[in-house]
Amino acid sequence: EAAVTQSPRNKVAVTGGKVTLSCNQTNNHNNMYWYRQDTGHGLRLIHYSYGAGSTEKGDIPDGYKASRPSQENFSLILELATPSQTSVYFCASGEDWGGYAEQFFGPGTRLTVL
Amino acid sequence: GDSVTQTEGLVTLTEGLPVMLNCTYQSTYSPFLFWYVQHLNEAPKLLLKSFTDNKRPEHQGFHATLHKSSSSFHLQKSSAQLSDSALYYCALRANYGNEKITFGAGTKLTIKP
Repeated sequence: EAAVTQSPRNKVAVTGGKVTLSCNQTNNHNNMYWYRQDTGHGLRLIHYSYGAGSTEKGDIPDGYKASRPSQENFSLILELATPSQTSVYFCASGEDWGGYAEQFFGPGTRLTVL
Repeated sequence: GDSVTQTEGLVTLTEGLPVMLNCTYQSTYSPFLFWYVQHLNEAPKLLLKSFTDNKRPEHQGFHATLHKSSSSFHLQKSSAQLSDSALYYCALRANYGNEKITFGAGTKLTIKP
């Protein structure tokens, strides 16, 4: 069954440290997305990608970088983690045919920055 | 820019009563609208999506009608079930260019016996 997987599932980091969140999809979708989920804010788009080698800024990209080395893999990088980046992070893959879009989400990564 | 507003953060209902979760939106172009559902400790997944031909999407007893005149896409169900307890997101995909989906803040629905 096609799936989106994320690693690690839980991460505790120290302020100023580097954090890399990984995402892998077997859906063969061109598009991949990184969101963070916070109570009261819903799902907010950080970065997204149209395919291998491409990354685009989402609505809240500051403090985050993204990398799409292949169709299957999409990473989110926090070069200097801060406590405000404590959140649950979701990766998603999807296709978009003239707006009949559907995104398939991974199980999420809970990140705590101390 | 595009935006989605879900006015209720928390909704608590008794099993068997009707459900209505509000969603309004702003978009420059006629957008596509979606409802996603997230059960506890699970990933969000698509529940419904709007059609361009005025058909009313339905799934698992839920339905939603896109009203362009009022920029709304409210989620409804005639009789709530305990298993409907979840976080519901209304989302929008603008009918132009880039393939971003904008999510609302979410409504947490709790159904009590």
